[in-house]
Order: sequence, then structure tokens, then C-alpha cells
Amino acid sequence: LAKTTQPISMDSYEGQEVNITCSHNNIATNDYITWYQQFPSQGPRFIIQGYKTKVTNEVASLFIPADRKSSTLSLPRVSLSDTAVYYCLVGPYQAGTALIFGKGTTLSVSS
Amino acid sequence: EPEVTQTPSHQVTQMGQEVILRCVPISNHLYFYWYRQILGQKVEFLVSFYNNEISEKSEIFDDQFSVERPDGSNFTLKIRSTKLEDSAMYFCASSDLANQPQHFGDGTRLSIL
Repeated sequence: LAKTTQPISMDSYEGQEVNITCSHNNIATNDYITWYQQFPSQGPRFIIQGYKTKVTNEVASLFIPADRKSSTLSLPRVSLSDTAVYYCLVGPYQAGTALIFGKGTTLSVSS
Repeated sequence: EPEVTQTPSHQVTQMGQEVILRCVPISNHLYFYWYRQILGQKVEFLVSFYNNEISEKSEIFDDQFSVERPDGSNFTLKIRSTKLEDSAMYFCASSDLANQPQHFGDGTRLSIL
């Protein structure tokens, strides 16, 4: 499985756009990029998944350059409730496959 | 939105006792998983389960652990003889066949005394 590197922590203010970049230099051809969010004492929550270019949903956008060696999760106009740990996962994403979580990025949003 | 539910939310057990953690996966999902997270550490994969068989398991999932789908809606994790180091949050997850993401419950906090 591809190793991922993401910042340990980030700070932001309410209303700002937050971009969290994840490096995955040895991503394989059949790997997808997936982001999860976790609040204290809760289970990880799926945010977004992509393979290449750009994916957008109601919560976030995911930007993936052509070489796929990195990806950026973009959270528009964050609020205090976006304070959480964000995990970047890279893998073949077949049904039944284990998800391998790293330490993630702890995002702290202040007013 | 359908969700994975886990019971109990908190379980306190004496060391050496057996414990069963329960999960109700999303109804049309066919793959089921257990993960754990020791306080302050990473989320770790334990086991995946499909068609009444274990699909994949980690080194953590040793002989003291077992999983079962006792009926059409529940998925359980049994720890036969608990140890202090089994204290953790245990998360159940489920997914369907179409390479869709795994959806997690909010976990059971297991405290071994």
C-alpha cells in the first residue's frame, strides 16, 4: 500500500478555506485516494474519494494532479465544527480491503 | 441517511472475562469490518467479513478474537479472555460490493479493569 505523508496539524479561522495536502509518491495505478474525518469519540466519517483530476461534493473538493503523487483536500469556509482529524488514505479500495489509517492531520478552527 | 449502529457505547469488563461487541451494519451492505483505536493512537484494522467468512485479518486479530453474523442484521466481535491492552474504542464498519467507501459506527469504548 502507498505510504502517505500529511501535516500533523493545521490551524485556521472560521470562514477561511482550508487546503490539506497529502503526498503519496508510490501510488499504484489501481489506487484510489480517500479522505476521512474523525471527531473525538466518534468513528471515521467518509468525506470524499477520487482517482484523478477533481472531485467535488457538498462537503469538500479533492484535487489530484496528473502524476497523482499528491492530492489536496479543500474545505470551503470552515466553521468551528470542522475541527477534527483528517485522514488521507491511498489504496486499491476493493470491497473487503482493510483501510490503513495514518496519524492524520488535526485541524483546529478558531473564531 | 442509513448508518452503522453499535452497542453498547461503553463496556466495562474485568480482565479475563469474555466480551461481545455488537453492530448493526447498513442494511444492504455485504462486507463488514472491525477496527480498533487505542487512546491517542491510530485506527487499526482487525478483520473483514463477507459471506459468513473472514476475508482478511490483521496480526492483532489472534485466537482470542472471533466474529459472527448471528442473524440477518447483527455483526459481533467477541473477545474471549480480555487483557488490559484490549482497552480501546472498537469501530464496526460496512460497505457494499460496488467499491463504495466503508461507513463506520461511532464505536464501543471498551475498558478492561
